Amino acid sequence: DVKVTQSSRYLVKRTGEKVFLECVQDMDHENMFWYRQDPGLGLRLIYFSYDVKMKEKGDIPEGYSVSREKKERFSLILESASTNQTSMYLCASTLDRIIQPQHFGDGTRLSIL
Amino acid sequence: GENVEQHPSTLSVQEGDSAVIKCTYSDSASNYFPWYKQELGKRPQLIIDIRSNVGEKKDQRIAVTLNKTAKHFSLHITETQPEDSAVYFCAASSLQGAQKLVFGQGTRLTINP
Repeated sequence: DVKVTQSSRYLVKRTGEKVFLECVQDMDHENMFWYRQDPGLGLRLIYFSYDVKMKEKGDIPEGYSVSREKKERFSLILESASTNQTSMYLCASTLDRIIQPQHFGDGTRLSIL
Repeated sequence: GENVEQHPSTLSVQEGDSAVIKCTYSDSASNYFPWYKQELGKRPQLIIDIRSNVGEKKDQRIAVTLNKTAKHFSLHITETQPEDSAVYFCAASSLQGAQKLVFGQGTRLTINP
């Protein structure tokens, strides 16, 4: 079974801090994704990556960056956290570019004070 | 880009009755339509998906129908049970091979005993 692990379930940070959210998958998946989930808005794609050191902007990349130095790890970075980035963040992965379901992690609930 | 609208935002049905959730999409090139179920505090999990070359797919009490001409697809749950209570998300993939999903806003389904 695919395992997508997010490093923290809950995180509290202060405005202006640099925040790192980590995601690791154990199935040698090529594709990894970061979403944020807000009530009434569903899941919105922030960034995704097809391969190591590759990244593509999603629908709401502003205020975020990502890093994929190793195939199994995809990091989301909030360069200077703001209160409007308080949200649930979900990581997902898929094996390759053939259409298939995405496997999600448990999510990180991030609060910016 | 792709836009997915999901209705209703909340749905309450009596145990044993059927529930229907509807989604519309904007990009006629979309060709993959998954449905995810998210129980409280848990990760989204795929429950059923359909591709554009199929009009209907069924898995026990769950079915999905797709109308490509009208650009809408629906989730049907029959003989609902309390464990069906959750938030359901539809999604559409707008780019072949890109695996870039656009999600609907979600439907909170409550099954009343």
